[in-house]
Parts: sequence; structure tokens; C-alpha cells
Amino acid sequence: EADIYQTPRYLVIGTGKKITLECSQTMGHDKMYWYQQDPGMELHLIHYSYGVNSTEKGDLSSESTVSRIRTEHFPLTLESARPSHTSQYLCASSESHQGSYEQYFGPGTRLTVT
Amino acid sequence: KNQVEQSPQSLIILEGKNCTLQCNYTVSPFSNLRWYKQDTGRGPVSLTIMTFSENTKSNRRYTATLDADTKQSSLHITASQLSDSASYICVVSDRGSTLGRLYFGRGTQLTVWP
Repeated sequence: EADIYQTPRYLVIGTGKKITLECSQTMGHDKMYWYQQDPGMELHLIHYSYGVNSTEKGDLSSESTVSRIRTEHFPLTLESARPSHTSQYLCASSESHQGSYEQYFGPGTRLTVT
Repeated sequence: KNQVEQSPQSLIILEGKNCTLQCNYTVSPFSNLRWYKQDTGRGPVSLTIMTFSENTKSNRRYTATLDADTKQSSLHITASQLSDSASYICVVSDRGSTLGRLYFGRGTQLTVWP
């Protein structure tokens, strides 16, 4: 079992609210990622980070923002939630070296915006 | 365009039976291919990872094959168990960037009946 944690696991929130999804890993990995996944669909990369103070946008445009102040922590924030943000959000981490690195996934946060 | 296609989309088998899942990809330049198992409401967990030079790899009852010439992979599950019910995702990594971008298939939803 990977040492990567996400909270909350489930969140139901009203439109317009600000939310932060937490992600923490205890493996000392430099690279961290956020993916968005709708039911029956593939994972889409929305944010990634090479290390502290490094964040980049992924393939899928997202209104969310991320920060990386500490190696182990990579929170995702939505300033004003909308129903279109309803989805599963998965956090992952990996070592920084090239080659056949492994991405370890957290359990995910299921977000529902009403 | 880099894509990963999986078939079948869903599959139902009886406990104890074998099954084979397929993955075709167009990702280039190729780095590695991995199969993940994703239980409902959970994050993906890695089953196998194969590089260009590997054409088969086993992990307990899971055996993955890779044909880099035809850009095809398969995942064979032997003597299925109820706990094998999950989505199986084929993921291909390219080596065109330091991030090692991952391309995800939509998964095959496997259901094992008693």
C-alpha cells in the first residue's frame, strides 16, 4: 500500500463555495500530480509539480489551482465550486529519476457540487 | 496523436475462469507500458510495468505481454477471483519529456461472478 493520503474522501458542497482538497505523501517523492477522472473515462492530468515551489498545468484545462510549499504536501483549491467540477480527483507521486518510475496514487476525493 | 485504446470496455466472467484484456497504443516515442488495477472508489494500483525490451511479465495471477512492433499489450488473468472485479487500466509513458507523460486508457471493467 502506497503512503499517499487524500482528504476528504467524499465531499458534497454547494455552488460558489471555496474548497481545498488535501494530498500528502510520506515517501519523499519530488514529483506530484493531480488527475481528474469521470466515471468510465480515462484519467486526465490537471496539475503537476517537480518539487517545492514548482507547479505546472497539465493537459486538461482546470479552474483549480495548486501549491507546493512542502515536499510532502500538494493541495488543490477551487475558489468557487460549480456543478461542472463534480468529478473524482486523484493525487499521485513519483520519484524524480528518469526511467521506469512508478506513480503511486492516493485513494481519491469524490467531489459533488450541487 | 498519442492514444491508448482498450478492449473490451466491459467483461463478465465466472469465478475460476481465465480472461484476457487488450490494449493498443499509438504513443511515441515509447518508454514503458503499465497495467493498473482500480477498485471502485479507489486510486489505481500498479500490477506490472514493461519497457521496450520486455515482452512478458508476471505478477501472481496476472501476466502482461507487450509487442512493441505492433504496439499491442495484453493482460491475462488466471483463475479469476471475486476480488479481481475492478477496472484494469493500460497506461503508456513517453520519453519525450522529463515528466515522462502518461497516457491512460479508459479501462476494462471486469466483473467476476460466483
